[in-house]
Amino acid sequence: DIQMTQSPSSLSASVGDRVTITCRASQSIATYLNWYQQKPGKAPKLLISAASSLQSGVPSRFSGSGSGTDFTLTISSLQPEDFATYYCQQSYSSLMFTFGQGTKLEI
Amino acid sequence: QVQLVQSGAEVKKPGASVKVSCKASGYTFTSYYIHWVRQAPGQGLEWMGVIYPSVGTTSYALKFQGRVTMTRDTSTSTVYMELSSLRSKDTAVYYCARAGYRSPLDYWGQGTPVTVSS
Repeated sequence: DIQMTQSPSSLSASVGDRVTITCRASQSIATYLNWYQQKPGKAPKLLISAASSLQSGVPSRFSGSGSGTDFTLTISSLQPEDFATYYCQQSYSSLMFTFGQGTKLEI
Repeated sequence: QVQLVQSGAEVKKPGASVKVSCKASGYTFTSYYIHWVRQAPGQGLEWMGVIYPSVGTTSYALKFQGRVTMTRDTSTSTVYMELSSLRSKDTAVYYCARAGYRSPLDYWGQGTPVTVSS
């Protein structure tokens, strides 16, 4: 199985800050890496697919980069609505997805 | 519009089984995979398995092999996830989600809370 390791597990930041979350795969996954945002009591929401492709309607302050085994999610200027938990997920193995353990972004 | 509508909350006793449904609409049911993901209280997302409705092919996470069964009914565009031998650690919200081949989970169901308690 492909293991996904996310860091940090939690992060304290302020409105307007730039934050970066990293995700590392246990083997190369090319750019089959997706990022989700989850707020309490809600289903996860897809933010970025294929490592860097922003989904329709997602603010441009979100960006993703990376390939192979190392990936990052960056929020350029935090807004109040961005405080949530973020997960990376690999789709390289189409019949065996895995998620990172999540990063809780707190004020 | 694409929708995945799941069945309602369940309360089960240890050792019992639970069967959660996920009814798809707004797209060609047989053209996308349906994945199941669960989330225990205060914990992260855990991938359980996947079914390809077109042919019924399934793949399960090693952790759940032998306890989980995913099936589909193409006549009603519904996928089912059955988890057996329930224990308290299976208490979680169970989500179904759609994905193409090697693609992200782009649409999610609303989640089905399952509580396992004696």
